[in-house]
Amino acid sequence: AQRVTQPEKLLSVFKGAPVELKCNYSYSGSPELFWYVQYSRQRLQLLLRHISRESIKGFTADLNKGETSFHLKKPFAQEEDSAMYYCALSRPTGNQFYFGTGTSLTVIP
Amino acid sequence: DAGVIQSPRHEVTEMGQEVTLRCKPISGHDYLFWYRQTMMRGLELLIYFNNNVPIDDSGMPEDRFSAKMPNASFSTLKIQPSEPRDSAVYFCASSPSLGQARRPQHFGDGTRLSIL
Repeated sequence: AQRVTQPEKLLSVFKGAPVELKCNYSYSGSPELFWYVQYSRQRLQLLLRHISRESIKGFTADLNKGETSFHLKKPFAQEEDSAMYYCALSRPTGNQFYFGTGTSLTVIP
Repeated sequence: DAGVIQSPRHEVTEMGQEVTLRCKPISGHDYLFWYRQTMMRGLELLIYFNNNVPIDDSGMPEDRFSAKMPNASFSTLKIQPSEPRDSAVYFCASSPSLGQARRPQHFGDGTRLSIL
């Protein structure tokens, strides 16, 4: 069965420091991985997806099939990055997404 | 496009009352999802529809919860009777159909439900 694990519920870093939000998944096939972000009292919005291989707001995420991970990284955290981050997996068949429990990131000024 | 529209934004009601949450998906999206968000469990999928037909309702916590999608532009999630432990933020999301790679889901603003 598919599963998405975000081991850290809370993460605090200082402004300017590197940040890494961990995401591990379990799925035997070839999933598609996403990161969603939710700023305070706003709707969830797509941050990035692994097939795009792009950097959004300075964030990148690389799919590591060997380690079944899709960690989200940013070299220099900004205060406006403070938000809830969800990692999500989608299977090749069906539009259903499987979300992790989320990591709340706080960037300390 | 206004995106996914949910109503109400906030709902406060007493235990035992019926609660109805509403969602209007993005026009042209074939899939509609209902999620519940809590601090303890994060984002949980309750049910999802494809072309107005419920596909997977295994996430619906119990019989007190029901969801309908009478047409392509409207869905409801109903809780009857409501209990304090149902207090959460309920999100609706929609996405286009498969065929052009997996499409990301678009979320509404959510309904913040408080059961007293």
